[in-house]
Amino acid sequence: DAGVIQSPRHEVTEMGQEVTLRCKPISGHNSLFWYRQTMMRGLELLIYFNNNVPIDDSGMPEDRFSAKMPNASFSTLKIQPSEPRDSAVYFCASGISGFSTDTQYFGPGTRLTVL
Amino acid sequence: SQQGEEDPQALSIQEGENATMNCSYKTSINNLQWYRQNSGRGLVHLILIRSNEREKHSGRLRVTLDTSKKSSSLLITASRAADTASYFCATVQNRDDKIIFGKGTRLHILP
Repeated sequence: DAGVIQSPRHEVTEMGQEVTLRCKPISGHNSLFWYRQTMMRGLELLIYFNNNVPIDDSGMPEDRFSAKMPNASFSTLKIQPSEPRDSAVYFCASGISGFSTDTQYFGPGTRLTVL
Repeated sequence: SQQGEEDPQALSIQEGENATMNCSYKTSINNLQWYRQNSGRGLVHLILIRSNEREKHSGRLRVTLDTSKKSSSLLITASRAADTASYFCATVQNRDDKIIFGKGTRLHILP
């Protein structure tokens, strides 16, 4: 299995531009998570899907952030408009079921720099 | 919000020595997980210990959980250069099933 796949691996953009991050979870996994990692705040859960349905988006920082999971094999995290404070590494992870019993498998991350 | 907090923030030891990292948390948990992150990579799950378990082993890893003290420890025995990484504890809360990661311990194994 290829593991969780994220693209792009690096993204540099200018403030105000739209950014779309992509994730392909491990085949057969039912849960998908988006995280953001910064030095200041550590690893923060942004949103969590179970069977393609958003279960908890309380970690999404503001309306500029949106996430979709149109099918079991693909998810996107969109930032529009982007701001310099959005610069971080964004991780996608997938799991077989839900939080409490599950191991999460992380992708390699997308390093986002907003100038 | 509740957060696992690792201690120490950074640790440097000689290769072959044992490394111990601690994690403290604040509220009732369902389970606690330890993850490793190599520089520039995603997190890799190491071990999960449930609230009704006290100790778990996996290879050179030993994890303990003391729910009365709300703390856990990760012991890596006979450390190797490849163990150099950041180690995170993550707690899954009972009240809302959320997983919350600590800020990690940076472990450096000296040759």
